[in-house]
Amino acid sequence: DGGITQSPKYLFRKEGQNVTLSCEQNLNHDAMYWYRQDPGQGLRLIYYSQIVNDFQKGDIAEGYSVSREKKESFPLTVTSAQKNPTAFYLCASTPGQINTEAFFGQGTRLTVV
Amino acid sequence: QQQVKQSPQSLIVQKGGIPIINCAYENTAFDYFPWYQQFPGKGPALLIAIRPDVSEKKEGRFTISFNKSAKQFSLHIMDSQPGDSATYFCAASRSGNTPLVFGKGTRLSVIA
Repeated sequence: DGGITQSPKYLFRKEGQNVTLSCEQNLNHDAMYWYRQDPGQGLRLIYYSQIVNDFQKGDIAEGYSVSREKKESFPLTVTSAQKNPTAFYLCASTPGQINTEAFFGQGTRLTVV
Repeated sequence: QQQVKQSPQSLIVQKGGIPIINCAYENTAFDYFPWYQQFPGKGPALLIAIRPDVSEKKEGRFTISFNKSAKQFSLHIMDSQPGDSATYFCAASRSGNTPLVFGKGTRLSVIA
């Protein structure tokens, strides 16, 4: 089945640690996105990538980093510089055509302990 | 500055009622307006989407009404069911495979 796989589903991080969230898609989509979801805040864009080896900052990129070495993969690293990382993180992809459906993964819930 | 404003924040309706969720946008370059449905602990899934060349679109029990001059669009759910209880997000984007901009969401509860 085609889709987007995010792992892990739950992640616990100690303060001061970097953690990496995985996002893999087998939809052959060109563009991939990372959003952060907090209660009552909607989905806020962290980073996005429209082609391999290229990515752009979103609205809340500070404290995060990404890479896009393969079309299928777009991992997100939450660094120790992110002051409030506890949130639900969602990865999405679109085919690369004009304004078509964005497909989302099932999310990773990150908690700082 | 919030580009897409969504209201209400939460909504409770009786089974069979017609909840209406409203969104307003600011950027006139937006030309794609989807609605997403999200259940707890899951990723959002596309429900229905509209482009500004039409004023209304229906898919099953879900209808989008679009008012280009007012820069507003809304979601209507006909004959709502308890299974429709979820969080609904409106979004907007402009041509060129640009990222979606989301509203803050509406938590809908349909009670029997």
